[in-house]
Amino acid sequence: KAGVTQTPRYLIKTRGQQVTLSCSPISGHRSVSWYQQTPGQGLQFLFEYFSETQRNKGNFPGRFSGRQFSNSRSEMNVSTLELGDSALYLCASSLIARQGGSTEAFFGQGTRLTVV
Amino acid sequence: DAKTTQPPSMDCAEGRAANLPCNHSTISGNEYVYWYRQIHSQGPQYIIHGLKNNETNEMASLIITEDRKSSTLILPHATLRDTAVYYCIAETSYDKVIFGPGTSLSVIP
Repeated sequence: KAGVTQTPRYLIKTRGQQVTLSCSPISGHRSVSWYQQTPGQGLQFLFEYFSETQRNKGNFPGRFSGRQFSNSRSEMNVSTLELGDSALYLCASSLIARQGGSTEAFFGQGTRLTVV
Repeated sequence: DAKTTQPPSMDCAEGRAANLPCNHSTISGNEYVYWYRQIHSQGPQYIIHGLKNNETNEMASLIITEDRKSSTLILPHATLRDTAVYYCIAETSYDKVIFGPGTSLSVIP
C-alpha cells in the first residue's frame, strides 16, 4: 500500500512569508504527527492529530499550527517565517493514537523548507 | 529533556552483530520502548518496539532488561545498508514524543 506522502518535497520561502505543508497518511491511519528536524536541535515533536483533534503539542511558538481533515490528511502552517524555521519537516502516521497501546509510526520523506 | 540516553556513535564490522544500547532508567510501567532508524536524508523508519518481553522481527531483536531500565537493539548480521542513526524512544499515550540525538552506527566493510 502507499506510504505517507508529503508535499511539496522542497520549498524556498522568504522571511515573513507563511507556508503550508501537506501530509497524506497511509490509508486507514487516523493519527498524524509532525516533527521538525534541524542539524542543531535534531528531531523535535510539533503536534499530533487524531480524528481531526489535536491530541498533543510540542514546545513551539504559536506561529506553528496544524489541522487534520475528515479524510485524515493533515496540513501544517508556519506563519511569519524566520530563518531558523529552515528545516526538514516530517510527518508520521499511525493506525491509532498512542492511547494505552502500542502503535508504530510510519514517516514520510519530509519537506525540506529553506527560508531566505 | 530526553528520556533515553544512547552512545553518540558506534562502529560494526559488516556481517557481525550490531548491539546498540539504550538507557531509559526513568521509564514508567506503561511506556513502550521504540526503536527507529534514519538513513541520511530520509524519514525515520520503524524497527521494533516492546514493553517488557524480548521481541524479534525480520529486521532486529530487542532485549529489555528485567527492571526495564535499559534495552539493546540487535541487528544480527549488519550490512552497509544498516549505516544510519538509530533512535531509542520511551513513550506512552498523550506524551510528547522525544527523540534524543540517537546513535550513529557505521557499518564498516
